[in-house]
Amino acid sequence: AQSVTQLGSHVSVSEGALVLLRCNYSSSVPPYLFWYVQYPNQGLQLLLKYTSAAPLVKGINGFEAEFKKSETSFHLTKPSAHMSDAAEYFCAVSDYGTGNQFYFGTGTSLTVIP
Amino acid sequence: NAGVTQTPKFQVLKTGQSMTLQCAQDMNHEYMSWYRQDPGMGLRLIHYSVGAGITDQGEVPNGYNVSRSTTEDFPLRLLSAAPSQTSVYFCATNQGGANTEAFFGQGTRLTVV
Repeated sequence: AQSVTQLGSHVSVSEGALVLLRCNYSSSVPPYLFWYVQYPNQGLQLLLKYTSAAPLVKGINGFEAEFKKSETSFHLTKPSAHMSDAAEYFCAVSDYGTGNQFYFGTGTSLTVIP
Repeated sequence: NAGVTQTPKFQVLKTGQSMTLQCAQDMNHEYMSWYRQDPGMGLRLIHYSVGAGITDQGEVPNGYNVSRSTTEDFPLRLLSAAPSQTSVYFCATNQGGANTEAFFGQGTRLTVV
């Protein structure tokens, strides 16, 4: 079965500092990995997805993630945090074999300190 | 282009009542799913459908029913609401095929008292 683990349910960074949100996956086959963002009282919005074309994936709002097979990781980073980045972030893996179902991590709440 | 539309946005039910959460999409996606979101638990799959007339159970299906009579609609029915079903419910669609992302509705916040 596919699964993802997000380390750190809450992360606080200062405005302008590096953002690093961790995600490790468990998959017996090449994974399809995604990062989603959820702003308060809203649905989930896709930040980026791993397509296997290149290990470093660039997404919206300056975020990027690097797929590292040796570490089974897909950590999300942003060089300089902005106040508007405060949100809940979810890592997810999809299982193409069972109707493209998504399995989500428990989420990381990002706080940006001015 | 509305995407994925969920109604209602908020609902309060009494224990034992039944209700239907509506989900409609105009993206012509074959795959549709229902998730519930609870604090500290992320999103968990309730039921999903890979096309009209086809549904299957997800991780937490007990207490919920679904049907898929059209491509556009995928309602979620709570048969007899319980306080444990207090949650935020999200409907999602997916084009199908490897590595395609899911598109989410805005959610329905349900409270069962």
